[in-house]
Amino acid sequence: AQSVTQLDSHVSVSEGTPVLLRCNYSSSYSPSLFWYVQHPNKGLQLLLKYTSAATLVKGINGFEAEFKKSETSFHLTKPSAHMSDAAEYFCVVSGGNQGGKLIFGQGTELSVKP
Amino acid sequence: DAGVTQSPTHLIKTRGQHVTLRCSPISGHKSVSWYQQVLGQGPQFIFQYYEKEERGRGNFPDRFSARQFPNYSSELNVNALLLGDSALYLCASNGQGTLNYGYTFGSGTRLTVV
Repeated sequence: AQSVTQLDSHVSVSEGTPVLLRCNYSSSYSPSLFWYVQHPNKGLQLLLKYTSAATLVKGINGFEAEFKKSETSFHLTKPSAHMSDAAEYFCVVSGGNQGGKLIFGQGTELSVKP
Repeated sequence: DAGVTQSPTHLIKTRGQHVTLRCSPISGHKSVSWYQQVLGQGPQFIFQYYEKEERGRGNFPDRFSARQFPNYSSELNVNALLLGDSALYLCASNGQGTLNYGYTFGSGTRLTVV
């Protein structure tokens, strides 16, 4: 079975400092992994996806994530936080042989201080 | 181009009532999925449809049902509403029915059951 664990429920950074949101996954299959962002009262926006190509994935708004099979991790990073990055972030793994099912983590709330 | 559109954006229902939520995918997208997001949690998979056929079903009771129409739009129906059905219901579309392309989410329907 597939699962994903986001290691921090809340992360707070200062504007201009690096962001690290941690995610570990469990999968019986070669997984597809995603990061989505959700701003208050908005839908989910795809930040980036890993689908067995390059292990370092670049996404929108300066975010990137590295797939590490040996550590079963897919941490999200950004060199310099911006106030507009404040939102809820979800790490997501595909449902393996269950077609299009996405399995979401519990989310990490990112706060950015001026 | 229009994204994934959902209607209504908000609604309030009484316990025991029935509700129908609607979703129009991105033009050309043949796969639609439904997710339930309870406050403070990650979205949970309810259904996936591709080419008008059910491709996956999450762990939800039979009170939840869905269908996809020839134009690929979709309805989610919930019967005998319970207080615990209060949530944000998200619809997502995908052009290929596989995960390699990621999913585009709508802004959701906020359902409150009183």
